[in-house]
Amino acid sequence: EDQVTQSPEALRLQEGESSSLNCSYTVSGLRGLFWYRQDPGKGPEFLFTLYSAGEEKEKERLKATLTKKESFLHITAPKPEDSATYLCAVQAGDSNYQLIWGAGTKLIIKP
Amino acid sequence: DTAVSQTPKYLVTQMGNDKSIKCEQNLGHDTMYWYKQDSKKFLKIMFSYNNKELIINETVPNRFSPKSPDKAHLNLHINSLELGDSAVYFCASSFAGTHGYTFGSGTRLTVV
Repeated sequence: EDQVTQSPEALRLQEGESSSLNCSYTVSGLRGLFWYRQDPGKGPEFLFTLYSAGEEKEKERLKATLTKKESFLHITAPKPEDSATYLCAVQAGDSNYQLIWGAGTKLIIKP
Repeated sequence: DTAVSQTPKYLVTQMGNDKSIKCEQNLGHDTMYWYKQDSKKFLKIMFSYNNKELIINETVPNRFSPKSPDKAHLNLHINSLELGDSAVYFCASSFAGTHGYTFGSGTRLTVV
């Protein structure tokens, strides 16, 4: 069964303390992996798409990487405004439209 | 300015009632979606429309009926509401085949 697992469930960091969030997946042929950010009371906001192992994408303090089994979202020198829930989703090879979502990692950055 | 707008933002209603949630997008996207986010934060696809045509209809009770009058609008009507329907419902849109979805801000439905 296609599955996406994110870890940890929650992560508390001090401002400036770099770390990584993990998204591991088991799907029948990966067509794409997607990272979103969700703030409380709002809908998810699209961040990155990764298509193949070895690919990397960067945006400000965030960098997403992809291997054949997992993706990491690295956050460098985070600021309090980076606090949010980060969601990972994958598109399996046998689906044109459906995404399989993880439960998210709640990131809290303390000043 | 709002790209994907949903109304209402909050909906509290009694069991057995019928209610609707409206969604509109002004991005020119041709595909729209309804997602349900449960208390554990998992997002589950319910329906998807491409140019007013239903393309995804997941296993949801037939009490839920989507309607797309045009490609900029996708409404969700729910009959005979049950306690288990309580959740946050998100509308989203994209161009067909892409997954950089733009989501609305959600409708928190509480059935009492």
